[in-house]
Amino acid sequence: AQRVTQPEKLLSVFKGAPVELKCNYSYSGSPELFWYVQYSRQRLQLLLRHISRESIKGFTADLNKGETSFHLKKPFAQEEDSAMYYCALNNAGNMLTFGGGTRLMVKP
Amino acid sequence: DTAVSQTPKYLVTQMGNDKSIKCEQNLGHDTMYWYKQDSKKFLKIMFSYNNKELIINETVPNRFSPKSPDKAHLNLHINSLELGDSAVYFCASSRQGSYEQYFGPGTRLTVT
Repeated sequence: AQRVTQPEKLLSVFKGAPVELKCNYSYSGSPELFWYVQYSRQRLQLLLRHISRESIKGFTADLNKGETSFHLKKPFAQEEDSAMYYCALNNAGNMLTFGGGTRLMVKP
Repeated sequence: DTAVSQTPKYLVTQMGNDKSIKCEQNLGHDTMYWYKQDSKKFLKIMFSYNNKELIINETVPNRFSPKSPDKAHLNLHINSLELGDSAVYFCASSRQGSYEQYFGPGTRLTVT
């Protein structure tokens, strides 16, 4: 069975500090992994996907199959990055399995 | 211009009632979904539906049923509402072959 684990419910950092939101997964097939973000009072939206290997809003995430991880990183956090972040895995049926979410708070 | 819309935004009802939440997407997508977000912000897939098949998460009680009058709509019907059904319900859609899902704003359901 597939599972996505985000071990931190809350991550609080100061503006300008590096950020790493952890995500681990278990899946028997070849995973498709994503990060979704939900800003306050906004809808959930796609932030980035592992297959595109791009940087969005300064965030990057590398799929590490050996460690079954897909951690989200940003070298310098901004206050506008404060939001709820969800790691998600797509199965063959096109259904997303989400992790429990991590609330990122960036303090001034 | 809203891509995925849901109505109502808030729904307060009593235990035992039957209610529906509507979802519409104007993106021309083939597949639509319903998710439940509980009080701890945990987000769980309930259904995936396109014009060919309905995929149900086996943990969803059969009191919940999706109804799709056409490709642009996927409504969620809930019978005999229970306190534990209180949550935020999100509709989403995606294009066939694409893994990116577009989410609606959510419907906050409160069962008293």
